[in-house]
Amino acid sequence: QVQLVESGGGLVKPGGSLRLACAASGFSFSDHYMTWLRQAPGKGLELVSYISGGEDIIYYADSVKGRFTISRDNAKNSLYLQMNSLRAEDTAVYYCARGGRAPGYWGQGTLVTVSS
Amino acid sequence: DVVMTQSPLSLPVTLGQPASISCRSSQSLVYSDGNTYLTWFQQRPGQSPRRLIYTVSNRDSGVPDRFSGSGSGTDFTLKISRVEAEDVGVYYCMQGTHWPFTFGPGTTVDIK
Repeated sequence: QVQLVESGGGLVKPGGSLRLACAASGFSFSDHYMTWLRQAPGKGLELVSYISGGEDIIYYADSVKGRFTISRDNAKNSLYLQMNSLRAEDTAVYYCARGGRAPGYWGQGTLVTVSS
Repeated sequence: DVVMTQSPLSLPVTLGQPASISCRSSQSLVYSDGNTYLTWFQQRPGQSPRRLIYTVSNRDSGVPDRFSGSGSGTDFTLKISRVEAEDVGVYYCMQGTHWPFTFGPGTTVDIK
Protein backbone atom coordinates (compact mmCIF):
# COMPACT_ATOMS: atom_id res chain seq x y z
CA GLN A 1 0.00 0.00 0.00
CA VAL A 2 1.05 3.59 -0.56
CA GLN A 3 3.08 4.99 2.32
CA LEU A 4 4.60 8.43 2.73
CA VAL A 5 6.70 9.16 5.80
CA GLU A 6 8.03 12.65 6.44
CA SER A 7 11.04 13.45 8.62
CA GLY A 8 13.37 16.32 9.41
CA GLY A 9 11.08 18.72 11.22
CA GLY A 10 12.01 20.45 14.44
CA LEU A 11 12.69 23.75 16.17
CA VAL A 12 14.86 26.25 14.29
CA LYS A 13 15.69 29.90 14.84
CA PRO A 14 14.56 32.59 12.39
CA GLY A 15 16.97 32.74 9.49
CA GLY A 16 17.94 29.10 9.96
CA SER A 17 17.62 26.12 7.65
CA LEU A 18 16.02 22.68 7.67
CA ARG A 19 15.82 19.86 5.18
CA LEU A 20 12.67 17.78 5.14
CA ALA A 21 12.55 14.32 3.63
CA CYS A 22 9.68 12.11 2.55
CA ALA A 23 10.21 8.37 2.11
CA ALA A 24 7.77 6.83 -0.34
CA SER A 25 6.82 3.19 -0.79
CA GLY A 26 4.11 1.06 -2.31
CA PHE A 27 4.04 2.68 -5.75
CA SER A 28 6.26 3.55 -8.69
CA PHE A 29 7.69 6.77 -7.29
CA SER A 30 9.25 8.11 -10.48
CA ASP A 31 5.88 7.97 -12.28
CA HIS A 32 4.21 10.52 -10.03
CA TYR A 33 4.22 14.23 -9.35
CA MET A 34 4.96 14.89 -5.69
CA THR A 35 3.87 17.81 -3.57
CA TRP A 36 4.77 19.54 -0.32
CA LEU A 37 1.92 21.21 1.53
CA ARG A 38 1.74 22.85 4.92
CA GLN A 39 -0.75 23.74 7.61
CA ALA A 40 -0.01 26.41 10.19
CA PRO A 41 -1.35 25.67 13.68
CA GLY A 42 -5.14 25.96 13.67
CA LYS A 43 -5.15 27.18 10.07
CA GLY A 44 -5.97 25.93 6.61
CA LEU A 45 -3.92 24.21 3.93
CA GLU A 46 -1.32 25.72 1.60
CA LEU A 47 0.42 24.03 -1.28
CA VAL A 48 4.12 24.93 -1.01
CA SER A 49 5.75 23.27 -4.00
CA TYR A 50 5.40 20.45 -6.45
CA ILE A 51 7.68 18.53 -8.77
CA SER A 52 7.16 16.23 -11.73
CA GLY A 53 8.52 12.72 -11.85
CA GLY A 54 11.37 13.72 -14.12
CA GLU A 55 12.04 16.97 -12.22
CA ASP A 56 11.40 19.00 -15.38
CA ILE A 57 8.39 20.78 -13.89
CA ILE A 58 8.74 22.55 -10.55
CA TYR A 59 6.48 25.16 -9.01
CA TYR A 60 6.71 27.14 -5.79
CA ALA A 61 4.24 29.24 -3.88
CA ASP A 62 5.22 32.92 -3.86
CA SER A 63 5.53 32.75 -0.08
CA VAL A 64 8.54 30.40 -0.32
CA LYS A 65 10.04 31.19 -3.73
CA GLY A 66 13.77 31.87 -3.48
CA ARG A 67 13.99 30.32 -0.01
CA PHE A 68 12.77 26.73 -0.45
CA THR A 69 14.00 24.12 -2.93
CA ILE A 70 12.15 20.94 -3.79
CA SER A 71 14.01 17.94 -5.13
CA ARG A 72 13.67 14.18 -5.44
CA ASP A 73 15.84 11.09 -5.72
CA ASN A 74 13.91 8.53 -7.72
CA ALA A 75 16.53 5.85 -7.03
CA LYS A 76 15.86 6.27 -3.32
CA ASN A 77 12.10 6.86 -3.63
CA SER A 78 12.55 10.07 -1.70
CA LEU A 79 11.29 13.64 -1.87
CA TYR A 80 13.03 16.57 -0.21
CA LEU A 81 12.37 20.16 0.75
CA GLN A 82 15.36 22.35 1.56
CA MET A 83 14.14 25.30 3.59
CA ASN A 84 16.43 28.30 4.04
CA SER A 85 15.96 31.75 5.59
CA LEU A 86 13.12 30.42 7.70
CA ARG A 87 10.62 32.85 9.18
CA ALA A 88 8.13 32.62 12.02
CA GLU A 89 5.33 32.40 9.46
CA ASP A 90 6.83 29.17 8.09
CA THR A 91 5.82 27.42 11.33
CA ALA A 92 3.51 24.60 10.27
CA VAL A 93 3.01 20.90 9.86
CA TYR A 94 4.55 19.98 6.51
CA TYR A 95 2.99 17.17 4.52
CA CYS A 96 4.24 15.38 1.46
CA ALA A 97 1.63 14.04 -0.89
CA ARG A 98 1.47 12.06 -4.10
CA GLY A 99 0.14 13.97 -7.04
CA GLY A 100 0.04 17.63 -7.98
CA ARG A 101 -3.34 18.79 -9.22
CA ALA A 102 -5.28 16.55 -6.81
CA PRO A 103 -2.96 15.11 -4.13
CA GLY A 104 -4.32 11.67 -3.40
CA TYR A 105 -2.12 10.21 -0.67
CA TRP A 106 -0.70 12.22 2.21
CA GLY A 107 1.87 11.47 4.86
CA GLN A 108 1.35 12.08 8.56
CA GLY A 109 3.30 15.32 8.48
CA THR A 110 6.31 16.75 10.28
CA LEU A 111 6.16 19.84 12.47
CA VAL A 112 8.47 22.75 11.75
CA THR A 113 8.64 25.45 14.41
CA VAL A 114 10.53 28.66 13.70
CA SER A 115 11.13 30.56 16.91
CA SER A 116 13.92 32.24 18.81
CA ASP B 1 -4.44 33.81 -7.66
CA VAL B 2 -7.71 31.87 -7.80
CA VAL B 3 -9.73 32.51 -4.67
CA MET B 4 -11.74 29.60 -3.32
CA THR B 5 -14.68 30.35 -1.07
CA GLN B 6 -16.73 27.86 0.90
CA SER B 7 -20.08 28.12 2.60
CA PRO B 8 -21.05 27.60 5.24
CA LEU B 9 -17.85 27.76 7.28
CA SER B 10 -19.55 25.93 10.13
CA LEU B 11 -22.14 23.20 9.63
CA PRO B 12 -23.81 21.58 12.64
CA VAL B 13 -25.73 18.54 11.46
CA THR B 14 -28.05 15.94 12.93
CA LEU B 15 -26.96 12.32 12.61
CA GLY B 16 -28.68 10.66 9.70
CA GLN B 17 -29.56 13.95 8.03
CA PRO B 18 -28.07 15.27 4.77
CA ALA B 19 -25.41 17.96 4.59
CA SER B 20 -24.17 20.14 1.75
CA ILE B 21 -21.09 22.32 1.34
CA SER B 22 -20.67 24.86 -1.42
CA CYS B 23 -17.35 25.81 -3.00
CA ARG B 24 -16.92 28.64 -5.48
CA SER B 25 -13.86 29.69 -7.45
CA SER B 26 -12.99 33.14 -8.74
CA GLN B 27 -12.17 31.70 -12.19
CA SER B 28 -13.32 28.74 -14.21
CA LEU B 29 -11.53 25.55 -13.19
CA VAL B 30 -11.69 23.90 -16.59
CA TYR B 31 -8.13 23.05 -17.61
CA SER B 32 -6.75 22.90 -21.15
CA ASP B 33 -6.87 19.09 -21.06
CA GLY B 34 -10.64 19.24 -20.56
CA ASN B 35 -10.56 18.21 -16.91
CA THR B 36 -11.84 20.32 -14.03
CA TYR B 37 -9.40 19.96 -11.17
CA LEU B 38 -11.66 20.49 -8.21
CA THR B 39 -10.90 18.21 -5.27
CA TRP B 40 -12.55 17.68 -1.89
CA PHE B 41 -10.60 16.69 1.22
CA GLN B 42 -11.73 15.61 4.67
CA GLN B 43 -9.56 16.29 7.71
CA ARG B 44 -10.68 14.52 10.85
CA PRO B 45 -9.45 15.90 14.19
CA GLY B 46 -5.77 15.15 14.66
CA GLN B 47 -5.37 13.49 11.27
CA SER B 48 -3.87 14.29 7.90
CA PRO B 49 -6.22 15.38 5.14
CA ARG B 50 -7.77 12.59 3.12
CA ARG B 51 -8.90 12.98 -0.46
CA LEU B 52 -12.59 12.18 -0.94
CA ILE B 53 -13.45 13.41 -4.42
CA TYR B 54 -11.29 14.39 -7.41
CA THR B 55 -12.11 16.06 -10.73
CA VAL B 56 -15.43 17.29 -9.32
CA SER B 57 -17.29 14.03 -8.92
CA ASN B 58 -14.96 11.01 -8.83
CA ARG B 59 -15.06 9.31 -5.45
CA ASP B 60 -11.82 7.81 -4.13
CA SER B 61 -11.57 4.11 -3.35
CA GLY B 62 -12.86 3.37 0.14
CA VAL B 63 -14.89 6.56 0.40
CA PRO B 64 -18.49 5.77 1.39
CA ASP B 65 -21.04 6.35 -1.33
CA ARG B 66 -22.92 8.78 0.91
CA PHE B 67 -20.33 11.34 -0.27
CA SER B 68 -20.88 12.87 -3.68
CA GLY B 69 -19.48 15.79 -5.59
CA SER B 70 -21.03 17.86 -8.33
CA GLY B 71 -20.72 21.13 -10.17
CA SER B 72 -18.98 22.79 -13.07
CA GLY B 73 -17.06 25.89 -14.05
CA THR B 74 -16.88 27.91 -10.85
CA ASP B 75 -19.59 26.40 -8.68
CA PHE B 76 -19.23 23.09 -6.86
CA THR B 77 -20.94 21.11 -4.11
CA LEU B 78 -20.04 18.30 -1.75
CA LYS B 79 -23.03 16.39 -0.39
CA ILE B 80 -23.28 13.88 2.40
CA SER B 81 -26.54 11.99 2.04
CA ARG B 82 -26.77 10.86 5.68
CA VAL B 83 -24.23 12.19 8.14
CA GLU B 84 -22.54 9.69 10.44
CA ALA B 85 -20.47 10.40 13.55
CA GLU B 86 -17.22 9.58 11.71
CA ASP B 87 -17.88 12.45 9.26
CA VAL B 88 -17.01 15.08 11.87
CA GLY B 89 -14.09 17.20 10.74
CA VAL B 90 -13.07 19.98 8.38
CA TYR B 91 -13.78 19.76 4.67
CA TYR B 92 -11.67 21.63 2.15
CA CYS B 93 -12.08 22.18 -1.55
CA MET B 94 -8.96 22.74 -3.65
CA GLN B 95 -8.39 23.87 -7.22
CA GLY B 96 -5.55 22.28 -9.17
CA THR B 97 -6.12 24.06 -12.47
CA HIS B 98 -4.31 27.39 -12.07
CA TRP B 99 -0.93 27.73 -10.31
CA PRO B 100 -0.70 28.45 -7.44
CA PHE B 101 -3.18 25.74 -6.55
CA THR B 102 -5.38 27.03 -3.78
CA PHE B 103 -7.64 25.74 -1.04
CA GLY B 104 -10.88 27.00 0.36
CA PRO B 105 -10.91 28.11 4.02
CA GLY B 106 -12.55 24.88 5.17
CA THR B 107 -15.99 23.96 6.48
CA THR B 108 -16.21 22.51 9.97
CA VAL B 109 -18.83 19.76 10.23
CA ASP B 110 -19.92 18.74 13.70
CA ILE B 111 -22.88 17.00 15.27
CA LYS B 112 -25.71 19.00 16.81
